[in-house]
Amino acid sequence: QKEVEQDPGPLSVPEGAIVSLNCTYSNSAFQYFMWYRQYSRKGPELLMYTYSSGNKEDGRFTAQVDKSSKYISLFIRDSQPSDSATYLCATRGGYNTDKLIFGTGTRLQVFP
Amino acid sequence: EPEVTQTPSHQVTQMGQEVILRCVPISNHLYFYWYRQILGQKVEFLVSFYNNEISEKSEIFDDQFSVERPDGSNFTLKIRSTKLEDSAMYFCASNPQVGGGTQYFGPGTRLLVL
Repeated sequence: QKEVEQDPGPLSVPEGAIVSLNCTYSNSAFQYFMWYRQYSRKGPELLMYTYSSGNKEDGRFTAQVDKSSKYISLFIRDSQPSDSATYLCATRGGYNTDKLIFGTGTRLQVFP
Repeated sequence: EPEVTQTPSHQVTQMGQEVILRCVPISNHLYFYWYRQILGQKVEFLVSFYNNEISEKSEIFDDQFSVERPDGSNFTLKIRSTKLEDSAMYFCASNPQVGGGTQYFGPGTRLLVL
C-alpha cells in the first residue's frame, strides 16, 4: 500500500469554480500534513501546513484533515487561471523523522 | 521574502563524472534537506542535515552521494560517479526548526546524465 495516494488528474475547471483536491494516507502515525503547489519545472511552494484534524483557512485556500479516515483535502475557492499547477500533498513521515512523503500530485488546469 | 536558491539551474554531465549541486538555504534556517524528482514521478527524500551532520538518509542516498555545508551559507550535494538513473530534478529545502513541516524548497537543479 502506498504511503500517500493522490489522483494525478488532470483536473480541468472553469475560472471561478471551487476546486477540491484530495489525498489519502496509510499510516496513522503521520501527524503533519502539507499542501505544496508546483508550477511546471519549478520547486514545490508551500501553501498550507496543518497538524490537527479539522479545517485551516488561508485566503481562498482551505485545508482539511480527517484523521479518522486518513483523508486530507485542499479546497480552492474562486479558482483563477494562475492556480493552474500541480498540487502535491505531503506528510511528515512520523514523530522521529523530518522527511516529507509526497503524493504523486494532481495537475489542475483552470480555464478562463 | 527570503528564499532558497540553487545553482546551477541545469547541469548536463557524462556518466561517471562527479557533479556538485549547490544550495543557499534561508539564512536563519537550521535544517537542510535534499530531495529529487525523476521526471513524471514523486518528489523523493534523499537526506536531512543538521548541525553539520546527516540526520537521516534514504535508501537512495548511497555511497555515491555526499552532502556538506562548507561555509555558513552554502549546502552542497555531491554525486561522485553519476549514473544515467541519476537524471532528475534535485531540490534543496530548509526548515527553521525540526519537528514541523515547514520545509521551503528551492527552484531545483535539473541534472541530465548522458
